[in-house]
Amino acid sequence: DVKVTQSSRYLVKRTGEKVFLECVQDMDHENMFWYRQDPGLGLRLIYFSYDVKMKEKGDIPEGYSVSREKKERFSLILESASTNQTSMYLCASRGPSTGELFFGEGSRLTVL
Amino acid sequence: DAKTTQPTSMDCAEGRAANLPCNHSTISGNEYVYWYRQIHSQGPQYIIHGLKNNETNEMASLIITEDRKSSTLILPHATLRDTAVYYCIVRGDSNYQLIWGAGTKLIIKP
Repeated sequence: DVKVTQSSRYLVKRTGEKVFLECVQDMDHENMFWYRQDPGLGLRLIYFSYDVKMKEKGDIPEGYSVSREKKERFSLILESASTNQTSMYLCASRGPSTGELFFGEGSRLTVL
Repeated sequence: DAKTTQPTSMDCAEGRAANLPCNHSTISGNEYVYWYRQIHSQGPQYIIHGLKNNETNEMASLIITEDRKSSTLILPHATLRDTAVYYCIVRGDSNYQLIWGAGTKLIIKP
């Protein structure tokens, strides 16, 4: 069965801390995505990657960076966490044939 | 990417068919219609997608109008576990980005 695994379901960090959110997929997909989801705003794309070491900015990349060193792993990095980055973060990968997205369970980050 | 319009919320009785509408009047010829759902506190789950023809799988059926300006997702025998937010999205082959709207909150009532 298809699986996208996010490293942490819940995290609490302090303002200014560096935060790593890890995502691993086992489907050999080339495309991977990071979204954040906030009440009333829906899912918004932060960054995506269409291949190893390739990345593209999404709609809201400010304050975030990403790393894709291996095909199966896509990491989201908050260099200096701020309270407005408190959110649910969702990772997804996409298969080439039918194009559907497979999502992880999400990581709920609280920045104090 | 074409935008979609969905009702904010809907109710359906358990065991009945749930019909969720979606308008995508600006859809272009190569854009697919995708449906996802999100159960509370989980990541979205893919349901079904289609281009022109109606589609059916083990979860649902997708009916797309001939002019492709609207579609309906049908859950044939809704259960309480189908309570979720349902998202209708259109996407072209070469588009990496999807535009996610607010979706329809479907509540299945016993």
